[in-house]
Amino acid sequence: DTEVTQTPKHLVMGMTNKKSLKCEQHMGHRAMYWYKQKAKKPPELMFVYSYEKLSINESVPSRFSPECPNSSLLNLHLHALQPEDSALYLCASSPGTSGLYNEQFFGPGTRLTVL
Amino acid sequence: AQKVTQAQTEISVVEKEDVTLDCVYETRDTTYYLFWYKQPPSGELVFLIRRNSFDEQNEISGRYSWNFQKSTSSFNFTITASQVVDSAVYFCALTSPDSGGYQKVTFGTGTKLQVIP
Repeated sequence: DTEVTQTPKHLVMGMTNKKSLKCEQHMGHRAMYWYKQKAKKPPELMFVYSYEKLSINESVPSRFSPECPNSSLLNLHLHALQPEDSALYLCASSPGTSGLYNEQFFGPGTRLTVL
Repeated sequence: AQKVTQAQTEISVVEKEDVTLDCVYETRDTTYYLFWYKQPPSGELVFLIRRNSFDEQNEISGRYSWNFQKSTSSFNFTITASQVVDSAVYFCALTSPDSGGYQKVTFGTGTKLQVIP
């Protein structure tokens, strides 16, 4: 299995809702990432997990809460989001121990709309 | 601070033409990695190539080739005999340690390539 899967593909939520995004990989990668991508912009790194521990948090607001329950699974819990948080949320993973120095394998993303 | 510039916002070519996508980077680090990713309309980024700062060899993979020149801080990407399937947004990215020793990744703004049949 050489892919990263993300669910759901689309999500519409109100500002008071709580929802979660899910990411899964079965390539044995020990580093996993969350990115946010606005339309016609490059991806922006949000979080990095290495060996199931949070290693990088790019000053992301607390309404985004990541979780890595095991080496194959990465969640992003969403609460009290704002309309400007509407974006494509991409998950990625990479092999080895070199983190961002390694090539990343990306999922297809979850397109989030906050009303 | 590190920076990646992709000056070409959009490029249109006719199928079978060759096209070069430019990438210029800035970093003060001596150790860094450069990447190219392709993002088709489906949304997922696809890894194309990685180069470290000590490896200036050019690379060819099928119709794709990359030219890395440290002297001009450039890492350009050429597609030979372009095909409609090459239509996508292409991102150049740079990873290096930040001032605290943590890894930092910077993506360029992307070049949208449209190959017209």
